[in-house]
Amino acid sequence: DARVTQTPRHKVTEMGQEVTMRCQPILGHNTVFWYRQTMMQGLELLAYFRNRAPLDDSGMPKDRFSAEMPDATLATLKIQPSEPRDSAVYFCASGLGVEWGELFFGEGSRLTVL
Amino acid sequence: GQQLNQSPQSMFIQEGEDVSMNCTSSSIFNTWLWYKQDPGEGPVLLIALYKAGELTSNGRLTAQFGITRKDSFLNISASIPSDVGIYFCAGRSGNTPLVFGKGTRLSVIA
Repeated sequence: DARVTQTPRHKVTEMGQEVTMRCQPILGHNTVFWYRQTMMQGLELLAYFRNRAPLDDSGMPKDRFSAEMPDATLATLKIQPSEPRDSAVYFCASGLGVEWGELFFGEGSRLTVL
Repeated sequence: GQQLNQSPQSMFIQEGEDVSMNCTSSSIFNTWLWYKQDPGEGPVLLIALYKAGELTSNGRLTAQFGITRKDSFLNISASIPSDVGIYFCAGRSGNTPLVFGKGTRLSVIA
C-alpha cells in the first residue's frame, strides 16, 4: 500500500531550537510538496520540488526555513530557529508532476513550539 | 494570487440528509479536486475533475466541474456518521501547484 511517510508525527520543542521534519514520498512520484496547516490560514504551500530540484519556495520564511531533497526517497523541512508562531501541522505530499493535480498526502507532523 | 472561496465553513446535519458544498475561484482553473481530512490525518483525495462540465461520482459522493471553470461543487447523499470531517476543494491552472480552499467542516448528528 503506497503512501507518503512523515516523521515525526508529533514534536514539542522550545523556542530557538532546530526542528527537522522528514518525508518519504511515494516511490515513483517525482514531485514533492510541503504544506503548513493552521486554523487561521488553512493549507499553505511552503515549497515544492520536481525531480529533486526546488521549483518554488516563496511560501517559506527564508530566514528560518529551508527545504531540501537529498535523494529521491527523502525530503526534509528544517526550521532554525523555531518560534511559537511556527506551531502548526506540516504536511508533505507527493505526485506525478506539477501539471497533474492529484496529490497524495502524508499524515502530517504536528509541531508545537513553546 | 489565486484564491478559493469555499462554503459553507461548517455544517451540522442529521444522519441520512444530503449535503452540498461548493467552491469558487477568482480565476479559471483546469483542474478541480476534492479532499477529505479526518482528525489527525492528512487530506485524502475523493474526486478529481479535469474537464469543464464534468460530473463524477464516487459512491455517495458526486462532484462537478463548473462550466465557467471558476467553480465546483461536491454533494454527499444519505450522510452517515463516518462522513464527519473537513472537506477541501483544491484547484489549479496551467502548471501551477494546487491552491486549497479553507475547508468545510461537516458534523453528522446520528
